[in-house]
Amino acid sequence: AQSVTQLDSQVPVFEEAPVELRCNYSSSVSVYLFWYVQYPNQGLQLLLKYLSGSTLVESINGFEAEFNKSQTSFHLRKPSVHISDTAEYFCAVSYILTGGGNKLTFGTGTQLKVEL
Amino acid sequence: GAGVSQSPRYKVAKRGQDVALRCDPISGHVSLFWYQQALGQGPEFLTYFQNEAQLDKSGLPSDRFFAERPEGSVSTLKIQRTQQEDSAVYLCASSSDRSEPQHFGDGTRLSIL
Repeated sequence: AQSVTQLDSQVPVFEEAPVELRCNYSSSVSVYLFWYVQYPNQGLQLLLKYLSGSTLVESINGFEAEFNKSQTSFHLRKPSVHISDTAEYFCAVSYILTGGGNKLTFGTGTQLKVEL
Repeated sequence: GAGVSQSPRYKVAKRGQDVALRCDPISGHVSLFWYQQALGQGPEFLTYFQNEAQLDKSGLPSDRFFAERPEGSVSTLKIQRTQQEDSAVYLCASSSDRSEPQHFGDGTRLSIL
């Protein structure tokens, strides 16, 4: 069975400071890894994904995450946060279902609160 | 282009009533998923369709929950004899291929009184 652990439920940080949101997963098979962001009263938006290849993946708005197989981690980082980054962030893993689909297993989320 | 559309955005029902939640996926996406998100939690998988075939329903919490996608496009999640513990946000997602990320709708917030 797969599981995802997000170690911090809330992370307060000042604007322009760096931030790291931690994610660890457990799985006995190869997985795909994702970070999604959720703004209030909205659905989840894909932030970045790791499918294969380079272990460092980047998003268009300055976030990056590094896949570490030995530590089974996929931590999300940003060197300088902005007020608009305030949101809930979910780490997720997927594996292939019978029939070919990919079911997502999510962590419990980390609320990032950026303060002035 | 148009994203995943869910309706209604909000639904209030009395305990014991039946409800139906609709999902219109991105055009051409063959895979469709339903998730349940309780307050303060991450989404949890309910069921999965590949075209019109429901290939996995292992996450449906009880036999009161039923999902269909008869023509391989729009999907409906039906909950019969609703209970207070059914209160949650129900998210629908679609993807074009098993290696492609899922795209989510804004969800339906269901409140059972």
